[in-house]
Amino acid sequence: DAKTTQPPSMDCAEGRAANLPCNHSTISGNEYVYWYRQIHSQGPQYIIHGLKNNETNEMASLIITEDRKSSTLILPHATLRDTAVYYCIVRVGYGGSNYKLTFGKGTLLTVNP
Amino acid sequence: GAGVSQSPRYKVAKRGQDVALRCDPISGHVSLFWYQQALGQGPEFLTYFQNEAQLDKSGLPSDRFFAERPEGSVSTLKIQRTQQEDSAVYLCASSIQRSETYEQYFGPGTRLTVT
Repeated sequence: DAKTTQPPSMDCAEGRAANLPCNHSTISGNEYVYWYRQIHSQGPQYIIHGLKNNETNEMASLIITEDRKSSTLILPHATLRDTAVYYCIVRVGYGGSNYKLTFGKGTLLTVNP
Repeated sequence: GAGVSQSPRYKVAKRGQDVALRCDPISGHVSLFWYQQALGQGPEFLTYFQNEAQLDKSGLPSDRFFAERPEGSVSTLKIQRTQQEDSAVYLCASSIQRSETYEQYFGPGTRLTVT
């Protein structure tokens, strides 16, 4: 699986949008971009995933650049409960060991009141 | 509905003791995963089951680690002769299928401290 690069930490004011970047310059054509987050003392929680089109769900939006070498997770109105470590993961689409999630160190997002 | 549950939530073991960590996946989920998370690090893959078959155990750090899922539901991760470097949070996850389109649901983890 391709590796990802994320900033170690970010701050965001409550109520503002949080934009979390991820670089995955060696991503292959059949690899998806996944985002998980881990709130303190809990297990990771799935947020969203995409292949090449932008995606939106009730939690967040995922913007993937046209060359697919980077992506941004957007939390439109961050709350204190969004304080967590956010992991960007690149995952093979089919075959091989696509069942594995390969986590890096992620980005610690701190939402401030 | 109920999520993935793990027990115990916390375990303290003396070096050399054997421990068993239990995972109850979401009912009907075919795939089950174990991950190990050291302090300040992201989770690392240990092993994967599809129903009762252990299809990948490449992430198990040593032969002291053993996992089973005999009836395709509950799983147990056993660590024999625990060492201090085994101290970590052990996370279990389940998924309805192995396809990339199916998300993994994680339990809260078991924090193991070896003294």
